[in-house]
Amino acid sequence: DTEVTQTPKHLVMGMTNKKSLKCEQHMGHRAMYWYKQKAKKPPELMFVYSYEKLSINESVPSRFSPECPNSSLLNLHLHALQPEDSALYLCASSLNSDHNEQFFGPGTRLTVL
Amino acid sequence: AQSVSQHNHHVILSEAASLELGCNYSYGGTVNLFWYVQYPGQHLQLLLKYFSGDPLVKGIKGFEAEFIKSKFSFNLRKPSVQWSDTAEYFCAVMTDSGGYQKVTFGTGTKLQVIP
Repeated sequence: DTEVTQTPKHLVMGMTNKKSLKCEQHMGHRAMYWYKQKAKKPPELMFVYSYEKLSINESVPSRFSPECPNSSLLNLHLHALQPEDSALYLCASSLNSDHNEQFFGPGTRLTVL
Repeated sequence: AQSVSQHNHHVILSEAASLELGCNYSYGGTVNLFWYVQYPGQHLQLLLKYFSGDPLVKGIKGFEAEFIKSKFSFNLRKPSVQWSDTAEYFCAVMTDSGGYQKVTFGTGTKLQVIP
């Protein structure tokens, strides 16, 4: 299995909702990442998990809360989002966080109303 | 902070034309370099990567890139493009950030190949 899967593919939520994005990989990778990609912009790093521990938080607002329950799963919990948070949220994984290419999932297209 | 520049935002070529997409980065330390491609409606895929060794690297689908350290560049090339190469291409740089590797993407170049 050489892919990163993400669910759901699309998500529409109101500003008062609580939702979660899920990411899964079974490649034995020990580093996992969340990126945000706005339309016509490059992916921007949000969080890095290395061996299930949060190692990088790129000053992301607290309304985004990552969680890594085990080495195969990565969640992103969403609460009280703003319309400007609408974007494609990409998950990626790599063998570890040291000099390795990242494999990307297809993303979750999030719309905040 | 590191940055990555892709000078061409939109490139239109006819099939069989040669391609060169520019990528420059600003970072004084050791870097690992990547080119990713995003086909319409698909997710990011790795085209090629440079970690060390031969500065001319070959990737999938006939793409290659050359790392020129003195110019802080990592340009992508293909001698003859096909319609199926229509996609968005992102250059990315991996640098050390407090002991962890951080990837910064360029703004992307949209390539349109006309049959």
